[in-house]
Amino acid sequence: EVQLVESGGGLIQPGGSLRLSCAASGFTFINHAMAWVRQAPGKGLEWVSTISTTGHNTFYAESVKGRFTISRDNSKNTLFLQMSSQRVEDTARYYCAKGDSFDWWGQGTLVTVSS
Amino acid sequence: QPVLTQPPSSFASPGDSARLTCTLPSDISVDKYNIYWYQQKSGSPPRYLLYYYSDSDKGRGSGVPSRFSGSKDASANTGILLISGLQSEDEADYYCMIWPSNAFGGGTKLTVL
Repeated sequence: EVQLVESGGGLIQPGGSLRLSCAASGFTFINHAMAWVRQAPGKGLEWVSTISTTGHNTFYAESVKGRFTISRDNSKNTLFLQMSSQRVEDTARYYCAKGDSFDWWGQGTLVTVSS
Repeated sequence: QPVLTQPPSSFASPGDSARLTCTLPSDISVDKYNIYWYQQKSGSPPRYLLYYYSDSDKGRGSGVPSRFSGSKDASANTGILLISGLQSEDEADYYCMIWPSNAFGGGTKLTVL
Protein backbone atom coordinates (compact mmCIF):
# COMPACT_ATOMS: atom_id res chain seq x y z
CA GLU A 1 0.00 0.00 0.00
CA VAL A 2 1.15 3.53 -0.78
CA GLN A 3 2.42 5.40 2.25
CA LEU A 4 3.62 9.00 2.49
CA VAL A 5 4.91 10.10 5.88
CA GLU A 6 5.79 13.74 6.40
CA SER A 7 8.05 15.03 9.16
CA GLY A 8 9.98 18.13 10.16
CA GLY A 9 7.19 20.53 11.05
CA GLY A 10 7.19 22.70 14.14
CA LEU A 11 7.15 26.21 15.54
CA ILE A 12 9.47 28.69 13.89
CA GLN A 13 9.95 32.45 14.12
CA PRO A 14 9.34 34.74 11.14
CA GLY A 15 12.42 34.86 8.93
CA GLY A 16 13.52 31.40 10.01
CA SER A 17 14.13 28.20 8.07
CA LEU A 18 12.77 24.68 8.25
CA ARG A 19 13.20 21.51 6.21
CA LEU A 20 10.31 19.13 5.68
CA SER A 21 10.72 15.50 4.63
CA CYS A 22 8.34 12.97 3.13
CA ALA A 23 9.23 9.28 3.24
CA ALA A 24 7.51 7.33 0.46
CA SER A 25 6.82 3.60 0.21
CA GLY A 26 4.51 1.17 -1.55
CA PHE A 27 5.17 2.43 -5.09
CA THR A 28 8.08 3.04 -7.45
CA PHE A 29 9.10 6.49 -6.24
CA ILE A 30 11.37 7.31 -9.17
CA ASN A 31 8.50 6.90 -11.65
CA HIS A 32 6.35 9.70 -10.19
CA ALA A 33 6.47 13.44 -9.90
CA MET A 34 5.89 14.58 -6.33
CA ALA A 35 4.38 17.69 -4.80
CA TRP A 36 3.78 19.69 -1.65
CA VAL A 37 0.34 21.13 -0.95
CA ARG A 38 -0.50 23.18 2.12
CA GLN A 39 -3.61 24.06 4.04
CA ALA A 40 -3.76 26.99 6.43
CA PRO A 41 -5.92 26.44 9.54
CA GLY A 42 -9.58 26.47 8.56
CA LYS A 43 -8.76 27.27 4.92
CA GLY A 44 -8.64 25.49 1.59
CA LEU A 45 -5.87 23.72 -0.28
CA GLU A 46 -2.96 25.57 -1.88
CA TRP A 47 -0.45 23.94 -4.17
CA VAL A 48 3.12 24.85 -3.13
CA SER A 49 5.58 23.03 -5.39
CA THR A 50 6.11 20.09 -7.73
CA ILE A 51 9.26 18.21 -8.72
CA SER A 52 9.74 15.97 -11.74
CA THR A 53 10.78 12.32 -11.54
CA THR A 54 14.48 13.07 -11.98
CA GLY A 55 14.42 16.25 -9.93
CA HIS A 56 15.64 18.30 -12.89
CA ASN A 57 12.41 20.27 -13.22
CA THR A 58 10.82 22.12 -10.33
CA PHE A 59 7.78 24.36 -10.15
CA TYR A 60 6.63 26.76 -7.45
CA ALA A 61 3.60 28.81 -6.49
CA GLU A 62 4.26 32.54 -6.73
CA SER A 63 3.71 32.85 -2.98
CA VAL A 64 6.81 30.75 -2.19
CA LYS A 65 9.03 31.28 -5.24
CA GLY A 66 12.54 32.27 -4.21
CA ARG A 67 11.98 31.22 -0.58
CA PHE A 68 11.20 27.48 -0.81
CA THR A 69 13.20 24.74 -2.54
CA ILE A 70 11.83 21.32 -3.41
CA SER A 71 14.17 18.37 -3.89
CA ARG A 72 14.16 14.59 -3.82
CA ASP A 73 16.49 11.70 -3.09
CA ASN A 74 15.41 8.83 -5.31
CA SER A 75 17.91 6.47 -3.65
CA LYS A 76 16.08 6.97 -0.35
CA ASN A 77 12.53 7.43 -1.67
CA THR A 78 12.33 10.78 0.09
CA LEU A 79 10.94 14.18 -0.87
CA PHE A 80 12.08 17.42 0.77
CA LEU A 81 10.92 21.00 1.11
CA GLN A 82 13.46 23.54 2.31
CA MET A 83 11.62 26.61 3.58
CA SER A 84 13.44 29.86 4.32
CA SER A 85 12.53 33.50 5.04
CA GLN A 86 9.33 32.18 6.53
CA ARG A 87 6.32 34.42 7.01
CA VAL A 88 3.35 34.22 9.34
CA GLU A 89 1.18 33.41 6.31
CA ASP A 90 3.23 30.22 5.71
CA THR A 91 1.54 28.74 8.78
CA ALA A 92 -0.23 25.61 7.52
CA ARG A 93 -0.32 21.86 7.46
CA TYR A 94 1.99 20.73 4.68
CA TYR A 95 1.02 17.62 2.74
CA CYS A 96 3.19 15.51 0.50
CA ALA A 97 1.25 14.29 -2.56
CA LYS A 98 2.04 11.71 -5.24
CA GLY A 99 2.03 12.36 -8.94
CA ASP A 100 0.71 15.12 -11.14
CA SER A 101 -2.83 14.24 -10.11
CA PHE A 102 -2.08 14.14 -6.34
CA ASP A 103 -3.56 10.66 -6.22
CA TRP A 104 -2.20 9.87 -2.76
CA TRP A 105 -1.63 12.15 0.23
CA GLY A 106 0.26 11.89 3.48
CA GLN A 107 -1.17 12.89 6.85
CA GLY A 108 0.71 16.18 6.73
CA THR A 109 3.05 18.02 9.09
CA LEU A 110 2.11 21.26 10.84
CA VAL A 111 4.28 24.34 10.42
CA THR A 112 3.58 27.33 12.66
CA VAL A 113 5.35 30.61 11.97
CA SER A 114 4.99 32.91 14.93
CA SER A 115 7.02 35.17 17.15
CA GLN B 1 -8.56 34.25 -4.08
CA PRO B 2 -8.90 30.78 -5.64
CA VAL B 3 -8.82 30.67 -9.42
CA LEU B 4 -11.64 28.12 -9.54
CA THR B 5 -15.03 29.00 -8.05
CA GLN B 6 -16.92 26.53 -5.91
CA PRO B 7 -20.06 27.24 -3.88
CA PRO B 8 -19.05 27.28 -0.20
CA SER B 9 -21.81 24.93 0.89
CA SER B 10 -24.27 22.35 -0.39
CA PHE B 11 -26.97 20.39 1.38
CA ALA B 12 -28.62 17.11 0.44
CA SER B 13 -30.46 14.20 2.03
CA PRO B 14 -29.37 10.55 2.31
CA GLY B 15 -30.23 8.65 -0.85
CA ASP B 16 -30.37 11.81 -2.97
CA SER B 17 -27.79 12.99 -5.48
CA ALA B 18 -25.46 15.95 -4.97
CA ARG B 19 -24.14 18.00 -7.89
CA LEU B 20 -21.06 19.99 -6.94
CA THR B 21 -19.75 22.59 -9.38
CA CYS B 22 -16.35 24.07 -10.15
CA THR B 23 -16.39 27.11 -12.44
CA LEU B 24 -13.32 28.19 -14.36
CA PRO B 25 -12.50 31.83 -15.13
CA SER B 26 -13.85 33.05 -18.45
CA ASP B 27 -10.39 33.30 -20.02
CA ILE B 28 -9.74 29.56 -19.79
CA SER B 29 -11.94 26.89 -21.28
CA VAL B 30 -13.06 23.87 -19.29
CA ASP B 31 -12.86 21.86 -22.52
CA LYS B 32 -9.07 22.03 -22.42
CA TYR B 33 -8.50 20.76 -18.89
CA ASN B 34 -8.60 17.66 -16.76
CA ILE B 35 -10.75 18.47 -13.72
CA TYR B 36 -9.61 16.69 -10.56
CA TRP B 37 -11.76 16.19 -7.46
CA TYR B 38 -10.73 15.55 -3.87
CA GLN B 39 -12.67 14.73 -0.73
CA GLN B 40 -11.53 15.86 2.71
CA LYS B 41 -13.29 14.68 5.83
CA SER B 42 -12.86 16.55 9.08
CA GLY B 43 -9.44 15.95 10.63
CA SER B 44 -8.18 13.87 7.68
CA PRO B 45 -5.96 14.56 4.69
CA PRO B 46 -7.54 15.00 1.27
CA ARG B 47 -8.40 11.89 -0.71
CA TYR B 48 -8.21 11.74 -4.51
CA LEU B 49 -11.60 10.87 -5.98
CA LEU B 50 -11.41 11.17 -9.76
CA TYR B 51 -10.51 13.15 -12.81
CA TYR B 52 -12.67 14.01 -15.79
CA TYR B 53 -11.66 15.27 -19.21
CA SER B 54 -14.29 13.68 -21.41
CA ASP B 55 -16.52 10.62 -21.41
CA SER B 56 -13.67 8.72 -23.05
CA ASP B 57 -10.93 10.11 -20.81
CA LYS B 58 -11.74 9.86 -17.13
CA GLY B 59 -10.81 7.79 -14.09
CA ARG B 60 -11.52 7.14 -10.44
CA GLY B 61 -9.03 6.75 -7.64
CA SER B 62 -8.28 3.50 -5.90
CA GLY B 63 -11.28 2.27 -3.94
CA VAL B 64 -13.54 5.15 -4.94
CA PRO B 65 -17.14 3.93 -5.40
CA SER B 66 -18.86 4.29 -8.75
CA ARG B 67 -21.37 6.58 -7.00
CA PHE B 68 -18.83 9.33 -7.63
CA SER B 69 -18.62 10.57 -11.21
CA GLY B 70 -17.46 13.60 -13.13
CA SER B 71 -18.72 15.63 -16.04
CA LYS B 72 -18.49 19.08 -17.60
CA ASP B 73 -20.95 21.77 -18.62
CA ALA B 74 -19.14 23.64 -21.36
CA SER B 75 -21.87 26.25 -21.65
CA ALA B 76 -21.20 27.25 -18.04
CA ASN B 77 -17.44 26.63 -18.25
CA THR B 78 -17.88 24.31 -15.28
CA GLY B 79 -16.66 20.97 -14.04
CA ILE B 80 -19.13 18.85 -12.10
CA LEU B 81 -18.83 16.19 -9.41
CA LEU B 82 -21.95 14.06 -9.11
CA ILE B 83 -22.46 11.92 -6.03
CA SER B 84 -25.42 9.58 -6.27
CA GLY B 85 -27.05 7.57 -3.49
CA LEU B 86 -25.73 9.94 -0.85
CA GLN B 87 -24.60 8.43 2.44
CA SER B 88 -23.87 10.15 5.72
CA GLU B 89 -20.19 9.27 5.26
CA ASP B 90 -20.11 11.50 2.15
CA GLU B 91 -20.32 14.57 4.37
CA ALA B 92 -17.02 16.34 3.72
CA ASP B 93 -15.29 19.21 1.98
CA TYR B 94 -14.83 18.73 -1.76
CA TYR B 95 -12.13 20.49 -3.77
CA CYS B 96 -11.58 20.72 -7.51
CA MET B 97 -8.27 21.33 -9.26
CA ILE B 98 -6.97 21.80 -12.78
CA TRP B 99 -3.58 20.74 -14.09
CA PRO B 100 -0.92 21.95 -14.96
CA SER B 101 -1.60 25.18 -13.11
CA ASN B 102 -2.50 23.13 -9.99
CA ALA B 103 -5.07 25.75 -9.12
CA PHE B 104 -7.57 24.63 -6.50
CA GLY B 105 -11.09 25.80 -5.93
CA GLY B 106 -12.04 27.15 -2.51
CA GLY B 107 -13.93 23.97 -1.64
CA THR B 108 -17.58 23.07 -1.05
CA LYS B 109 -18.72 21.80 2.31
CA LEU B 110 -21.31 19.09 1.65
CA THR B 111 -23.74 18.46 4.46
CA VAL B 112 -25.84 15.29 4.33
CA LEU B 113 -28.93 16.00 6.42
